[in-house]
Amino acid sequence: GAGVSQSPRYKVAKRGQDVALRCDPISGHVSLFWYQQALGQGPEFLTYFQNEAQLDKSGLPSDRFFAERPEGSVSTLKIQRTQQEDSAVYLCASSLGTTNEQFFGPGTRLTVL
Amino acid sequence: AQSVTQPDIHITVSEGASLELRCNYSYGATPYLFWYVQSPGQGLQLLLKYFSGDTLVQGIKGFEAEFKRSQSSFNLRKPSVHWSDAAEYFCAATLGDSSYKLIFGSGTRLLVRP
Repeated sequence: GAGVSQSPRYKVAKRGQDVALRCDPISGHVSLFWYQQALGQGPEFLTYFQNEAQLDKSGLPSDRFFAERPEGSVSTLKIQRTQQEDSAVYLCASSLGTTNEQFFGPGTRLTVL
Repeated sequence: AQSVTQPDIHITVSEGASLELRCNYSYGATPYLFWYVQSPGQGLQLLLKYFSGDTLVQGIKGFEAEFKRSQSSFNLRKPSVHWSDAAEYFCAATLGDSSYKLIFGSGTRLLVRP
């Protein structure tokens, strides 16, 4: 079946704009994760959903970052009033359960000018 | 603090040569350990994982890794590198009570000489 998909693949925003990044997990996967990968770095955990419940948002860098998964499937990561330091690749991953293998999408590269 | 360290930013090997990528972790207890590969424009792909048991773990694409508790290490190895192995490699770990939260090293970029 299809893997994890993310859209858009590339996003350029002017500083101060709001952006929304979409993640379509593998069908039937209960768990969904967002990670942020800065240039030259490894991914860093942002947030975790189990179905529609956001169980951990400890990695969100500020209150400008907001994630939702209202129907327990597709998830959206929203960044308000983008700043240059938000420029990064945002990776989404899904898994059957909490401790199962995480399958990653190709990421959305966000550039804030 | 919990951390994963990959001391080599870049490694260059000749095609057909053996490869070892280093990974060290810092945790109070033995974590779950993973190696991922990331090719340009692609998502992360899991190569192998260690949860418990046999300390030598076999993965996909001919890779293996050895867990050494005494050295807090989980090094990735391949006996003969192919040009298609050129990519970025990430070591990652999770700790039991937050076993969903992957903590990644900063990565090692592998270059393969023809």
